[in-house]
Amino acid sequence: DADVTQTPRNRITKTGKRIMLECSQTKGHDRMYWYRQDPGLGLRLIYYSFDVKDINKGEISDGYSVSRQAQAKFSLSLESAIPNQTALYFCAVGLAEGTDTQYFGPGTRLTVL
Amino acid sequence: SQKIEQNSEALNIQEGKTATLTCNYTNYSPAYLQWYRQDPGRGPVFLLLIRENEKEKRKERLKVTFDTTLKQSLFHITASQPADSATYLCALGSSARQLTFGSGTQLTVLP
Repeated sequence: DADVTQTPRNRITKTGKRIMLECSQTKGHDRMYWYRQDPGLGLRLIYYSFDVKDINKGEISDGYSVSRQAQAKFSLSLESAIPNQTALYFCAVGLAEGTDTQYFGPGTRLTVL
Repeated sequence: SQKIEQNSEALNIQEGKTATLTCNYTNYSPAYLQWYRQDPGRGPVFLLLIRENEKEKRKERLKVTFDTTLKQSLFHITASQPADSATYLCALGSSARQLTFGSGTQLTVLP
């Protein structure tokens, strides 16, 4: 399984602040993803990247931006956090094998006051 | 738009029984379907994948079926144990679409 780490694990911030969530992986998987999870809504895709030069918007990209600094690193930024961005955020990685099996990090719990 | 529904938000069963979880979808023709397990405070963990041309897949006590006519997948855990208690997510994918997740079913196996 991919070793996927996320930092920070918990973050409380205030409305209007800029926040960066970081994800790194040690298995050399090409594909990286950012999701948010809200109760009753399941996992929703924010952004995904198939390699360092490839960035794609997901279902709910408004208010977020990403950076793929290296094959192993994929960061999610909230330029100006708002309370409805309070959620559990997951990074996932996957192989370019055609079935999109994904391996998830432990998550970051973000609270925007 | 595509929609994925998982049966009831919570399912309670007695230890030793078979748990059956349902994943229904509409407005979608997935090439494959995946099931993940998620424990509280943790990321989802991949369990099984079944392709559109497969009827059934098994892994230890787990069995998944995929009926593209009914647009439904059933996920079975036989001889269930309290350690099987978790939320189970189904996810659909194809070459044309990114993986789309259902909202999950919370399973509790009572001792």
